[in-house]
Amino acid sequence: DQQVKQNSPSLSVQEGRISILNCDYTNSMFDYFLWYKKYPAEGPTFLISISSIKDKNEDGRFTVFLNKSAKHLSLHIVPSQPGDSAVYFCAALEYGNKLVFGAGTILRVKS
Amino acid sequence: DTGVSQDPRHKITKRGQNVTFRCDPISEHNRLYWYRQTLGQGPEFLTYFQNEAQLEKSRLLSDRFSAERPKGSFSTLEIQRTEQGDSAMYLCASRGDRENTEAFFGQGTRLTVV
Repeated sequence: DQQVKQNSPSLSVQEGRISILNCDYTNSMFDYFLWYKKYPAEGPTFLISISSIKDKNEDGRFTVFLNKSAKHLSLHIVPSQPGDSAVYFCAALEYGNKLVFGAGTILRVKS
Repeated sequence: DTGVSQDPRHKITKRGQNVTFRCDPISEHNRLYWYRQTLGQGPEFLTYFQNEAQLEKSRLLSDRFSAERPKGSFSTLEIQRTEQGDSAMYLCASRGDRENTEAFFGQGTRLTVV
């Protein structure tokens, strides 16, 4: 039973444009959501997070939006840069303890 | 302390051998996690420690897998009688005390069972 779903395995975007990565979840008990970025042969690196009491959190070029009623969150990267090319994982915190991850979306930013 | 450290980075072993991985978390973090990741998948939860207590184990963790965190600092993950299906990246992460905080991951240990 996949509680966190990233339905787009990959996304290709032109440099300078917006990248939008999507994530859906099924467990209404999740109260904290995170995005991680991963390069090959490295561990995931924390990018940005959002609490369930908010609907938006912004950090530089990265913004995360949360729609609790739809159980959906998205990560916006503006403007996209070639160095953003990586795998992006959506994760949700379960009962304050365990992070549950989606399968990831491969982002390719073309220059 | 610069982050979560895992050792070794790579391990190649023959099927049937035992392997042990080590994780050193960020020093002030009392929560420690082990995850496994295979190609095309997200990190899959294996087990979780709060201090030295192992509070949760995934159903995926067969009896060939055991993890310890004897003094609430570093942790080890042992796989006995390795199988080819154990080939994966094994990731360790740690988190601090506050409720909604991010987990910091190590670089991972890449296990290949031949």
